[in-house]
Amino acid sequence: EDKVVQSPLSLVVHEGDTVTLNCSYEVTNFRSLLWYKQEKKAPTFLFMLTSSGIEKKSGRLSSILDKKELSSILNITATQTGDSAIYLCAVTNYGGATNKLIFGTGTLLAVQP
Amino acid sequence: DTAVSQTPKYLVTQMGNDKSIKCEQNLGHDTMYWYKQDSKKFLKIMFSYNNKELIINETVPNRFSPKSPDKAHLNLHINSLELGDSAVYFCASSHPSSVAYNEQFFGPGTRLTVL
Repeated sequence: EDKVVQSPLSLVVHEGDTVTLNCSYEVTNFRSLLWYKQEKKAPTFLFMLTSSGIEKKSGRLSSILDKKELSSILNITATQTGDSAIYLCAVTNYGGATNKLIFGTGTLLAVQP
Repeated sequence: DTAVSQTPKYLVTQMGNDKSIKCEQNLGHDTMYWYKQDSKKFLKIMFSYNNKELIINETVPNRFSPKSPDKAHLNLHINSLELGDSAVYFCASSHPSSVAYNEQFFGPGTRLTVL
């Protein structure tokens, strides 16, 4: 069965800290890995990764995929209270006319002032 | 200007009732989805429609019936509501282009509480 596991489940840091969130997956016919940020409502898209070793960056956030290790990390540098959210990792695979997102359990990040 | 919208935002109802949640997207996407997020915040796919055709139907009780009148709308009807149906239901959409296909845009969610 396809599976996505995230760690840690929750994390409390202080403003200015750097955090690393982990995502590992076991899926057949892997296609892509996506990171989403969920605050109070809808998950919002952060990154989509399809190739190993190529870092994607957006401001203080960056992410990289390791297909050999079947994993990805999401880094947030100089954290701010506005980074507090649930960070969701999801994977898609090939097959069928459309693809579903297989989500991990999420990491709850709390950034304290 | 909302890309993916859902109504209602909140729904409180009694066990045994039948209710519907509506979803509309104005992004011109061909594919729409319903996800359920439980109390532990775990998001799981329920259904997917591509151009009004049912593509994904996960192991969901047949009390849940999606309906897509056109490719911009995907509604979810739930019969005989049970306590365990309490959750947040998210609608999402995506466009089947080769690059951006997997990026799904989510609606604001409908929080369903069954008493």
